[in-house]
Amino acid sequence: KAGVTQTPRYLIKTRGQQVTLSCSPISGHRSVSWYQQTPGQGLQFLFEYFSETQRNKGNFPGRFSGRQFSNSRSEMNVSTLELGDSALYLCASSWAGQGSQETQYFGPGTRLLVL
Amino acid sequence: GDSVTQMEGPVTLSEEAFLTINCTYTATGYPSLFWYVQYPGEGLQLLLKATKADDKGSNKGFEATYRKETTSFHLEKGSVQVSDSAVYFCALSDGGANSKLTFGKGITLSVRP
Repeated sequence: KAGVTQTPRYLIKTRGQQVTLSCSPISGHRSVSWYQQTPGQGLQFLFEYFSETQRNKGNFPGRFSGRQFSNSRSEMNVSTLELGDSALYLCASSWAGQGSQETQYFGPGTRLLVL
Repeated sequence: GDSVTQMEGPVTLSEEAFLTINCTYTATGYPSLFWYVQYPGEGLQLLLKATKADDKGSNKGFEATYRKETTSFHLEKGSVQVSDSAVYFCALSDGGANSKLTFGKGITLSVRP
């Protein structure tokens, strides 16, 4: 079974631009979560989608948004990029995301560099 | 809110040494606890998990026991290998219906031959 895939793997953008990252979950998984990883703040939860609906949201500004499609693939968008948005963005999928016992499977991440 | 505290790193060990990485947590309710590992240039891989008090998770020679009385989930391995060199993250998922993970800062382990 293929794992979680993320595209692109690397991105370089300049301040003020916007960016869209894509995540394809493991086949059959319906919950997709996004995390930001930086050296200073570590791993922080951005949001979770299930059945095309945002079900949970972390403490990030409105410039960070996402969506999920009917095939469970998800995209996240960051508008008006700032230098501090440089990070590794990780996507994780699980079957239903129902309950804390369920394992989340992570993709390799998209490394975003904002200049 | 929920939080996870890991011991400061990095940690450097010789091959076949004993490993302990400390992890304590603060949470309301009854969280599930996880250890994830991140190899260079890769995403996170689940190493082991425990979903209730006194559960022991184990995988690839690593073990961790969910201690509610000390709010801890320390990771141990009896004999580390060079291939265990990676970053290790302790995490919790709260006892509710959502699957959000709260992570510790992570600790880098280097094992020398």
